[in-house]
Amino acid sequence: DVKVTQSSRYLVKRTGEKVFLECVQDMDHENMFWYRQDPGLGLRLIYFSYDVKMKEKGDIPEGYSVSREKKERFSLILESASTNQTSMYLCASIGNLGSNEKLFFGSGTQLSVL
Amino acid sequence: TQLLEQSPQFLSIQEGENLTVYCNSSSVFSSLQWYRQEPGEGPVLLVTVVTGGEVKKLKRLTFQFGDARKDSSLHITAAQPGDTGLYLCAGGGNFDLYNFNKFYFGSGTKLNVKP
Repeated sequence: DVKVTQSSRYLVKRTGEKVFLECVQDMDHENMFWYRQDPGLGLRLIYFSYDVKMKEKGDIPEGYSVSREKKERFSLILESASTNQTSMYLCASIGNLGSNEKLFFGSGTQLSVL
Repeated sequence: TQLLEQSPQFLSIQEGENLTVYCNSSSVFSSLQWYRQEPGEGPVLLVTVVTGGEVKKLKRLTFQFGDARKDSSLHITAAQPGDTGLYLCAGGGNFDLYNFNKFYFGSGTKLNVKP
């Protein structure tokens, strides 16, 4: 079974803390994505990476950074967590960016910033 | 504003009823995907449609891509409690300025099928 694994299902952090969300995929996919999901807003793209050490901003990158040192791992970093970053964070990966490929999602990390 | 608008946002129906969920946009997409998400899990792909006017069936689910590739619908026949979940449409488009096939998601339709 193919797998995208997010390191934590639930996280509670304090305002101002540095937060790391880890994502690992075992499918040798080039492309990886970080989304956040909020009620009524669907999934919004934060950052994506199409190769090791390569990254591109998505639609809402402010307050976030990412790291892709190895192909299988894509990390999302909140440099100084704020309460408006409380959300469900979803990692996804895809092989070729063709119209018939599908995104494989992790189970998500529900982050609460107090 | 959302690039993809889904309607309705919420739907609560009895087992055995039929329903249709809509996904609309003013943009043209090269492909459109439907995902289903259950509580505590990530979305899982149901289907991809790529040709204008295409219709795909998955058991009791029928998916249609609009002729102009700007909209799509999901129809469920004789809904069952197991169909309960959040349904998301996602457009992958070659219209994007960056030339990447980014996926744009709708806000979702939360379906509850009561036994």
